[in-house]
Amino acid sequence: AQSVTQPDIHITVSEGASLELRCNYSYGATPYLFWYVQSPGQGLQLLLKYFSGDTLVQGIKGFEAEFKRSQSSFNLRKPSVHWSDAAEYFCAVGGQGGSNYKLTFGKGTLLTVNP
Amino acid sequence: DAGVTQSPTHLIKTRGQQVTLRCSPKSGHDTVSWYQQALGQGPQFIFQYYEEEERQRGNFPDRFSGHQFPNYSSELNVNALLLGDSALYLCASSLGGRNSPLHFGNGTRLTVT
Repeated sequence: AQSVTQPDIHITVSEGASLELRCNYSYGATPYLFWYVQSPGQGLQLLLKYFSGDTLVQGIKGFEAEFKRSQSSFNLRKPSVHWSDAAEYFCAVGGQGGSNYKLTFGKGTLLTVNP
Repeated sequence: DAGVTQSPTHLIKTRGQQVTLRCSPKSGHDTVSWYQQALGQGPQFIFQYYEEEERQRGNFPDRFSGHQFPNYSSELNVNALLLGDSALYLCASSLGGRNSPLHFGNGTRLTVT
């Protein structure tokens, strides 16, 4: 069965500091990997996705993530955090063969940004 | 270009009642998936509809059922509501191909009292 672990429940960073959110997944085949962001009372917005190819993927809002198969990880990074990045971040894994819609999400990491 | 729209935004029901939630997919999308997000948790997959049929289902009881209409919009029905059904219900749409990521609506907040 597929699963996602986000080890950090809550992270606090200062505005302008760098950010890395961790994500580890378990999946029996080549995974499709996603990062979504959720602001309070809102739905999920796709930040970036990995399907195949270059293991470093660029997303919206200056985010990037690196797929490391040997570590089963897909960590999200941003070099300089803005106050508007405060939100909850979810990592998700899906599969090929049409099952990529059946995403399994982690429990999320809540990001607080201090001025 | 309208995104995924869900109605209603909030709903309060009593235990044992039935509820229907509605979703209109993003323009051009033909596949609709439903997720349940309990407080403090990540979304959990309920089921997915494509060509008016349930294509995949997660680990949810038969009290949860759905429907997709010819215009690709969808409904989620929950019967015999339990307190534990209180959650944010998210609809997501996509194209029926492999490399189409999900686009989510803002959800319906269901409270069961």
